[in-house]
Amino acid sequence: DADVTQTPRNRITKTGKRIMLECSQTKGHDRMYWYRQDPGLGLRLIYYSFDVKDINKGEISDGYSVSRQAQAKFSLSLESAIPNQTALYFCSTGGSGTDTQYFGPGTRLTVL
Amino acid sequence: QKEVEQNSGPLSVPEGAIASLNCTYSDRGSQSFFWYRQYSGKSPELIMSIYSNGDKEDGRFTAQLNKASQYVSLLIRDSQPSDSATYLCAVYSNTGNQFYFGTGTSLTVIP
Repeated sequence: DADVTQTPRNRITKTGKRIMLECSQTKGHDRMYWYRQDPGLGLRLIYYSFDVKDINKGEISDGYSVSRQAQAKFSLSLESAIPNQTALYFCSTGGSGTDTQYFGPGTRLTVL
Repeated sequence: QKEVEQNSGPLSVPEGAIASLNCTYSDRGSQSFFWYRQYSGKSPELIMSIYSNGDKEDGRFTAQLNKASQYVSLLIRDSQPSDSATYLCAVYSNTGNQFYFGTGTSLTVIP
């Protein structure tokens, strides 16, 4: 089984709809992250969490919110989706000290 | 100034050649350095990590770190078409307790 899973893998929705992307990890890490990736722009950090009670905004948090339900679960919500939120979204875990980040398979979100 | 800078490319090399990918970082407190490979539409996967000055080799891949110059590189020997991907440099900063990614360098290996 994959260490980091994301659901759904693909989603098409309409402008104004509320969307939740879910992420689960089995690596036992405290740190979890949400990124979006657009062509040519690299990974941009949306939100990150260093433990269940610690939530931090990244460079592009406007229009997004998160919930850290447990050590293993970190959800990203788009309260009212807009077309420029169409992107590939990645969840990851780890990334402290000498430990690398481990990525989920990604969610491709299209907002019409 | 961004925390991690990479040449965006694209970089094209013929099959069998050496591909050289470069990365600079701004925080001298950085202690851990990573190279990821990302195929189009897929998630980044770790290919090399390096923590000390010098070279680290793993098969066809060699990572080089120079902390004085704040520079880390990745060499791919005997490049194969399957190496065609975007390569992301990442740095963990002890100072900021943060992980930073570069924007990636696109590599194409021409058969």
